[in-house]
Amino acid sequence: DAGVIQSPRHEVTEMGQEVTLRCKPISGHNSLFWYRQTMMRGLELLIYFNNNVPIDDSGMPEDRFSAKMPNASFSTLKIQPSEPRDSAVYFCASSSQGYTEAFFGQGTRLTVV
Amino acid sequence: GENVEQHPSTLSVQEGDSAVIKCTYSDSASNYFPWYKQELGKRPQLIIDIRSNVGEKKDQRIAVTLNKTAKHFSLHITETQPEDSAVYFCAASGTNSGYALNFGKGTSLLVTP
Repeated sequence: DAGVIQSPRHEVTEMGQEVTLRCKPISGHNSLFWYRQTMMRGLELLIYFNNNVPIDDSGMPEDRFSAKMPNASFSTLKIQPSEPRDSAVYFCASSSQGYTEAFFGQGTRLTVV
Repeated sequence: GENVEQHPSTLSVQEGDSAVIKCTYSDSASNYFPWYKQELGKRPQLIIDIRSNVGEKKDQRIAVTLNKTAKHFSLHITETQPEDSAVYFCAASGTNSGYALNFGKGTSLLVTP
């Protein structure tokens, strides 16, 4: 397996634009997580899915953020409209159901100017 | 939700010395405690984990200890090498957080030759 695949790797956008981040989890994994990483706040859990169903989105900072998982192979994190304070590295991770290792994608570095 | 505190935030040691990083957690239902290493510009990767039915686990130069009564766990790296320089994150998950990992803020370890 190629591991967790995220796209794009880098995204630069203007304030107010819509941004969509994409993630393909490892085949067979039942849980998918979206994290945001900044120097100040570390690794923040935004939302996670079990079997494609959102379980807890309490970490999503505002209504401008939304996430979907239409099938077991794909998830998106959307920010609309984007703001400079959204600039961060966004990681997607997946794991087998149960308390097991979470495998991270390479991340998307988002810069909002 | 689960709150994970990690100390110290930065740690500098001489090559060959030991390094210890400590974490505390708030949710007594947490039962899975992994440690991740993140090199500059890379994704976090699991280096060792421990479950609540075990008090200590060792893998070559790294070891983790868990005290469930006190709700704290620690990472020990012996005979440190310059390639151990990275940011280390502890995390916790359990029945109250589903399968989501809640991370500490990280410890930046620098090993000087």
